[in-house]
Amino acid sequence: GENVEQHPSTLSVQEGDSAVIKCTYSDSASNYFPWYKQELGKRPQLIIDIRSNVGEKKDQRIAVTLNKTAKHFSLHITETQPEDSAVYFCAASIGGAAGNKLTFGGGTRVLVKP
Amino acid sequence: GAVVSQHPSRVICKSGTSVKIECRSLDFQATTMFWYRQFPKQSLMLMATSNEGSKATYEQGVEKDKFLINHASLTLSTLTVTSAHPEDSSFYICSAAPRGSGELFFGEGSRLTVL
Repeated sequence: GENVEQHPSTLSVQEGDSAVIKCTYSDSASNYFPWYKQELGKRPQLIIDIRSNVGEKKDQRIAVTLNKTAKHFSLHITETQPEDSAVYFCAASIGGAAGNKLTFGGGTRVLVKP
Repeated sequence: GAVVSQHPSRVICKSGTSVKIECRSLDFQATTMFWYRQFPKQSLMLMATSNEGSKATYEQGVEKDKFLINHASLTLSTLTVTSAHPEDSSFYICSAAPRGSGELFFGEGSRLTVL
């Protein structure tokens, strides 16, 4: 089955700096890659996603890149703010839609220091 | 966005008892719902896929007789942890996606503590 690796497991950045989280996946058939933000004790919330027919997607301070050949994708957060502090999860699925089974990465705990 | 609701949000039970957790899609129909378990400071691990009107599909290593899943309607799936033990203590989260939607929505999660 699919295996998703995520790095780093923790990331501490100064407010205003950028944060980058990287994920690799094993199944070349995967074609949908969402990113979720989870605050302590809360449900995961989708922040951005990308499909395999696109190499990059941006939404304000958040961007995601996908390299299908290398089977890795990355989340970039620019101009980080304290409210960006949370755990971020990458995921992958086959089928191109959120309604298909997702395999999650191990998570990255991001701390933005004021 | 679509809303997925779970109940209860917290439950404490004695070892050996059974606990039922409900997952509802409030404003859409869900033929498929997913149940995840999350241990402290760990990732979400898929336990099973709940299919309306048919048997759930369990992930490898998940005991189907221990974690009973019922998806009797297009808006409700239930997870029953049978004969719960302290090692079953965890955060259980369900999710579902409206048909044709590009987003998977999660319930609030249910924190189970087995004493």
